[in-house]
Amino acid sequence: AQSVTQLDSHVSVSEGTPVLLRCNYSSSYSPSLFWYVQHPNKGLQLLLKYTSAATLVKGINGFEAEFKKSETSFHLTKPSAHMSDAAEYFCVVSGENAGNNRKLIWGLGTSLAVNP
Amino acid sequence: GAGVSQSPSNKVTEKGKDVELRCDPISGHTALYWYRQSLGQGLEFLIYFQGNSAPDKSGLPSDRFSAERTGGSVSTLTIQRTQQEDSAVYLCASSPSTANYEQYFGPGTRLTVT
Repeated sequence: AQSVTQLDSHVSVSEGTPVLLRCNYSSSYSPSLFWYVQHPNKGLQLLLKYTSAATLVKGINGFEAEFKKSETSFHLTKPSAHMSDAAEYFCVVSGENAGNNRKLIWGLGTSLAVNP
Repeated sequence: GAGVSQSPSNKVTEKGKDVELRCDPISGHTALYWYRQSLGQGLEFLIYFQGNSAPDKSGLPSDRFSAERTGGSVSTLTIQRTQQEDSAVYLCASSPSTANYEQYFGPGTRLTVT
């Protein structure tokens, strides 16, 4: 069965410093992986996705993530945090393809705080 | 174009009452998903539709929960005899097809059962 673990429930960084949000996954096959962001009182937005192409994936707002199969990781990074990056971030893995089911398995989220 | 919309944005109801939550997906999206997000939790899958049919209802927590989709567009999630543990944000997402994992989310309906 597939699962996803976000290693930190809360991360706090200073504006202008790097961001690292950690995610490990478990899958019995080659999964698709995603990062979604949820700003306060706003809907979930797709940041980036990995679907078996390039292992380094670039997303919106300067975020990127690297798929490392040997480490079963898909950590999210950004070189320099901005105040507007403060939000909840979810790591997501594709579920088993049972027929036409494209279920997503969600991590519990990491809350990112950016301090001035 | 317009994104996924949900109504109402907030709903407060008394324990034991029935509620209906509505989702309008992006036009042309054939796949529609319902999730529940409780405070401090990740998303819990409830049900998904491909067109008007629901191949996977495995996430529905109990038989008090049901959902339908008509005309391959609007979907309603109904919770009968609401309980306090039903309080959560209910999120709807749509996708061009179930072959496409990318899901577009609505703003959610915050349900509070008193």
